[in-house]
Amino acid sequence: DAGITQSPRHKVTETGTPVTLRCHQTENHRYMYWYRQDPGHGLRLIHYSYGVKDTDKGEVSDGYSVSRSKTEDFLLTLESATSSQTSVYFCAARKGQGTGELFFGEGSRLTVL
Amino acid sequence: KQEVTQIPAALSVPEGENLVLNCSFTDSAIYNLQWFRQDPGKGLTSLLLIQSSQREQTSGRLNASLDKSSGRSTLYIAASQPGDSATYLCAVDNTDKLIFGTGTRLQVFP
Repeated sequence: DAGITQSPRHKVTETGTPVTLRCHQTENHRYMYWYRQDPGHGLRLIHYSYGVKDTDKGEVSDGYSVSRSKTEDFLLTLESATSSQTSVYFCAARKGQGTGELFFGEGSRLTVL
Repeated sequence: KQEVTQIPAALSVPEGENLVLNCSFTDSAIYNLQWFRQDPGKGLTSLLLIQSSQREQTSGRLNASLDKSSGRSTLYIAASQPGDSATYLCAVDNTDKLIFGTGTRLQVFP
C-alpha cells in the first residue's frame, strides 16, 4: 500500500467552473507530483512540490495551480475548467530526489463538458 | 530536453514466451530509471528502480538493465503469463522530476 489517496475519483463538471483535486499521503514523502494521462501523450507533469509551500511548474502547467500547506496534502486546482482538461489525473509521491521510488495514487477521472 | 521513447507500442504474445521491452532516452545525465506497470483504470505500480551507478536489477521473473552511455534500458520478462498483461512504462529521473515514456501495451494470451 503506497498510502496515497486521491479525491474525488470521478468528477463531471461544466466548462468555466473551478475544480479542486486532492491528494493525501500518509508516508511523510517530501516530494509530490501531479500528472495527467491522455491517449497518445502518456503521462505529463503538471506541477510538483519539494516541500511544504515549495512548488514548481511542470511541462503542462497552464490553467492549473497547486498548493501544499501540509506535508500530507497536495491540491490541484483548475481555476476555470476547459474541455481540454478532460483527463485522468494522477498524484505521485516519493521520499527523496534522485533515489526515491515513486508511488502513485489510483487516479482521478475528470470530464469537462 | 529529455525525451523518452518506448518500443514497441504494443505487443501480443502467447503464454510462456520470454519478452524484451525497450526504453530509450536522449539525455544520459540521469539519477535513475524506473519501470512501472499499469493495469486498465488503475494507477502505476513500481516494478524496478535502477540507480545510475547500477547496470541491472532483478525481481522475480523481471530483469531490467540500464546502459546510460547509449541511453537505453530494457525490461526482460521471463516465461510470460496472462497475468502479465498490462501497460509497461519507463521513466527517467534526471532532476527532481521523472519523465515518462508512452508505454508498451502487452497482451499475453493463453
